[in-house]
Amino acid sequence: DAKTTQPTSMDCAEGRAANLPCNHSTISGNEYVYWYRQIHSQGPQYIIHGLKNNETNEMASLIITEDRKSSTLILPHATLRDTAVYYCIRRSGGSNYKLTFGKGTLLTVNP
Amino acid sequence: ETGVTQTPRHLVMGMTNKKSLKCEQHLGHNAMYWYKQSAKKPLELMFVYSLEERVENNSVPSRFSPECPNSSHLFLHLHTLQPEDSALYLCASSQLQSSGNTIYFGEGSWLTVV
Repeated sequence: DAKTTQPTSMDCAEGRAANLPCNHSTISGNEYVYWYRQIHSQGPQYIIHGLKNNETNEMASLIITEDRKSSTLILPHATLRDTAVYYCIRRSGGSNYKLTFGKGTLLTVNP
Repeated sequence: ETGVTQTPRHLVMGMTNKKSLKCEQHLGHNAMYWYKQSAKKPLELMFVYSLEERVENNSVPSRFSPECPNSSHLFLHLHTLQPEDSALYLCASSQLQSSGNTIYFGEGSWLTVV
């Protein structure tokens, strides 16, 4: 399975930016970096994905290093509802339907 | 609202019961999935349907039987389950294409086998 490395847990103060790192040093040229999160008792929620360039949407920003060996998910203004397990996943596109979840990072946003 | 709807959200069944989980996607996708999430374990891929044809069966016991009547609907038929089958069952869908292939999940069905 394609592996990524994430810290087990992180804390963030409400209203501050949450920066979640992910290491994917063996990523292949055709593999995307995907981020999902799972709030307790709910299904995983898609956040963002990217290949080479930095990406931004209404939920978050994704910063990918030039060598693509690591990335950072940024929640610009964390709220209590952002407390969840965040998963960084690498996968290729096309007909590939594999999506392998690791243990992720438990982000706790504190008041 | 992710565009993937699962019913029921919660199900309690005895080991001799037959029940089904239902999933419907409103995203126009051509692939659908069943995942299982047990307590404190990563998500496990169970089945994949692409264009209504099963393309993946990850050594899932025969007491779990999937059905995909069309591209929008997916069922998981349950029969003579064991207590260790109690878990969150997640349905997902995606559009298989060259760029990306984002998978969207439903809210899940919590299954308890007693």
